[in-house]
Amino acid sequence: DAGVTQSPTHLIKTRGQQVTLRCSPKSGHDTVSWYQQALGQGPQFIFQYYEEEERQRGNFPDRFSGHQFPNYSSELNVNALLLGDSALYLCASSLETSGGEQFFGPGTRLTVL
Amino acid sequence: SQQGEEDPQALSIQEGENATMNCSYKTSINNLQWYRQNSGRGLVHLILIRSNEREKHSGRLRVTLDTSKKSSSLLITASRAADTASYFCATEETSGSRLTFGEGTQLTVNP
Repeated sequence: DAGVTQSPTHLIKTRGQQVTLRCSPKSGHDTVSWYQQALGQGPQFIFQYYEEEERQRGNFPDRFSGHQFPNYSSELNVNALLLGDSALYLCASSLETSGGEQFFGPGTRLTVL
Repeated sequence: SQQGEEDPQALSIQEGENATMNCSYKTSINNLQWYRQNSGRGLVHLILIRSNEREKHSGRLRVTLDTSKKSSSLLITASRAADTASYFCATEETSGSRLTFGEGTQLTVNP
């Protein structure tokens, strides 16, 4: 039973560029959430996707957008990258009816130069 | 913004000792969860306690929840060097909603 997978593992971009991060949820899970974790901080919620729609959104600008596909996998897109976007991006999956526990992937380390 | 605070920010103990970490939060919750993170990698789910529960055990872990004080504690008994990691509490306000994390406690267990 595959867990949550994310790609790529590491990514280096320059300011102003755009980036796409990918996530495949744990088998059987239908909900995907994205978090940003700056160095030395706790993860911050970006948004959550369920049934291919953004259901909840955290306090992030419109430069952050996402998508969920019919197979429940998800993408996080960030446009016009800023130095402050450098962070570990974590994807978590859960089952809508399971009530609480989220399973996290290994993360994508994004560095913006 | 972060839901609350974890205390202490850093904890260093010897193998075999117990480690206690505390978490405070600000709003009413559906459940509170504890996660472990090794060296900036993915988060590993440790234990979930629901708002109507007061204490829960899982192996060497014991979690308590006091909703009147909006606080929780995680106790790791008989610690091992492999327990060295960052520990985060996270709250879920309503079922299926976002998790709001604290800043974390960095635990170092010395062999």
